[in-house]
Amino acid sequence: GESVGLHLPTLSVQEGDNSIINCAYSNSASDYFIWYKQESGKGPQFIIDIRSNMDKRQGQRVTVLLNKTVKHLSLQIAATQPGDSAVYFCAENLHTGANSKLTFGKGITLSVRP
Amino acid sequence: NAGVMQNPRHLVRRRGQEARLRCSPMKGHSHVYWYRQLPEEGLKFMVYLQKENIIDESGMPKERFSAEFPKEGPSILRIQQVVRGDSAAYFCASSPPGRGSSAEAFFGQGTRLTVV
Repeated sequence: GESVGLHLPTLSVQEGDNSIINCAYSNSASDYFIWYKQESGKGPQFIIDIRSNMDKRQGQRVTVLLNKTVKHLSLQIAATQPGDSAVYFCAENLHTGANSKLTFGKGITLSVRP
Repeated sequence: NAGVMQNPRHLVRRRGQEARLRCSPMKGHSHVYWYRQLPEEGLKFMVYLQKENIIDESGMPKERFSAEFPKEGPSILRIQQVVRGDSAAYFCASSPPGRGSSAEAFFGQGTRLTVV
């Protein structure tokens, strides 16, 4: 069945180090992937996205890598800052006709040590 | 331009009561999505609506749950005869017309429902 999951529930990194958050997906028909950041008490906030015809996309301090062969998605955060502490979700988007919906993974907590 | 507005932010209901959750989309947005988030879990899709139409309700429980998005006013997620298992955070997202991808949607701050 469809599932989007994350390998690790928590990740602790030193401020200034790079963070890598990994995600596995199982639906090979998904054509669009998104990373969201969710701070306590708030709704998900879009970070970066990537389409299935790409394998890498860079934003400001963040990079998303897509490996369709092994159905793996990762989020890299450069020079991690205390403000990056949050729960991160990967999500896959599947279009069926005119409709589409996001399927989210369970989330991983990123904790940045000062 | 205000973002997606959800109210109330927190809602406490006794078992058997009804819960009504409201979502006002961003200005100019006519597509609304509802998601449920259980503690320590990701968001689960519930329903996708456009003005006066339910487009996809594949994630809605078959009983007690309903959603609407009238021509005027906010979208409403209604849960009848709530049970403790309904306790969760409910998030609404909206997207502009002509762009039916929920991936381009913006999320509200959520309503945290507690059933006691």
